[in-house]
Amino acid sequence: DTGVSQDPRHKITKRGQNVTFRCDPISEHNRLYWYRQTLGQGPEFLTYFQNEAQLEKSRLLSDRFSAERPKGSFSTLEIQRTEQGDSAMYLCASSLSTGGPSGQFFGPGTRLTVL
Amino acid sequence: AQTVTQSQPEMSVQEAETVTLSCTYDTSESDYYLFWYKQPPSRQMILVIRQEAYKQQNATENRFSVNFQKAAKSFSLKISDSQLGDAAMYFCAYTGQGAQKLVFGQGTRLTINP
Repeated sequence: DTGVSQDPRHKITKRGQNVTFRCDPISEHNRLYWYRQTLGQGPEFLTYFQNEAQLEKSRLLSDRFSAERPKGSFSTLEIQRTEQGDSAMYLCASSLSTGGPSGQFFGPGTRLTVL
Repeated sequence: AQTVTQSQPEMSVQEAETVTLSCTYDTSESDYYLFWYKQPPSRQMILVIRQEAYKQQNATENRFSVNFQKAAKSFSLKISDSQLGDAAMYFCAYTGQGAQKLVFGQGTRLTINP
């Protein structure tokens, strides 16, 4: 299957710990997006990359959050000094930037629980 | 800033019947794109249908069709011949012409009654 993959699928951590999530987009997609989804809500945009360049960051992305896409392929999202309010599903999506938006294709998400 | 509103937190329909999910949005842009995504329980988000704002013709994908009213900023999803597998959260989403971030509505939980 060549869809978007995310690892890990679940992460439980204690408050104050650092966590890192990985996303592998569809191989030919040059755009990669991160969203956060809390229970019963729609996803909220965090940041996106075109190739290796991070082009936009949401105000939701505090200084404790950092994302990278070093070679324009996979991406990592790191949360430092986690807080209970960080508990959510973190979704990754990818798309092409050319030919009009055919839509973003989502991965299965990483569910983070901060105790 | 663009906003998307789904006013129906929950909807239910009998199997084989038709249901319409509502979505309104607010934008000052003239060119944009609208989407409906489906998120089954504990499963990933799937693109159901998309609509380009410059196209007057409503998009259709098999049993799924939209009613796009640009002046009213309304974008509803009609599901015909509902099936048990259609049960899911449905999200309406917007993106501007630059095709960057998606702005999502709050979602509508659809239940299919056998």
